Amino acid sequence: GDSVTQKQGQVTLSEDDFLFINCTYSTTTYPTLLWYVQYLGQGPQLLLKVTTANNKGISRGFEATYDKGTTSFHLQKASVQESDSAVYFCALITGNTGKLIFGLGTTLQVQP
Amino acid sequence: NAGVIQTPRHKVTGKGQEATLWCEPISGHSAVFWYRQTIVQGLEFLTYFRNQAPIDDSGMPKERFSAQMPNQSHSTLKIQSTQPQDSAVYLCASSLGTNTEVFFGKGTRLTVV
Repeated sequence: GDSVTQKQGQVTLSEDDFLFINCTYSTTTYPTLLWYVQYLGQGPQLLLKVTTANNKGISRGFEATYDKGTTSFHLQKASVQESDSAVYFCALITGNTGKLIFGLGTTLQVQP
Repeated sequence: NAGVIQTPRHKVTGKGQEATLWCEPISGHSAVFWYRQTIVQGLEFLTYFRNQAPIDDSGMPKERFSAQMPNQSHSTLKIQSTQPQDSAVYLCASSLGTNTEVFFGKGTRLTVV
């Protein structure tokens, strides 16, 4: 079945550092890949969406791209801020219901 | 737009008691999802409704868990005879339709003591 693997459990950076989080996926269909961000006490919210049509998404300074050859997709930001501290999830839309399969999440802590 | 509303935000139940969690999806959204979030398992899909009809409950534990959507403005997740391993954050989400953006509520934190 469809699956997503996100291995980085925790990332600690300083302000203005570069962020890179990677996920790998497995699916038999054309993938729609997403990045969600979850702040403390909130539900996950969509940050970026990448499809085979656009290959890349950009929002709020974050950029997401995917590599079909390695079945991986990643999230990056050139210069993180303390306010970016949150949990970041990669996800895959599976089937025709819009059901999401999530990675385990990466907790980003940005130190001032 | 108040977003997806979940009540209560926190619930503590004794082992063996019943817990009912409530969700009000965004008005006009035809798709409603329930997910469970734990540290160990992460975000797990439980069940999905479209236009109030149950479409996919493949993630629901076969015993003790049930979900309903009696009308377009609310859905419930019921857990009978709660066990400590049911402790988690239960998230409800809704979307306009298939493959459109999914909006999550803030979740209900269930603690079974």
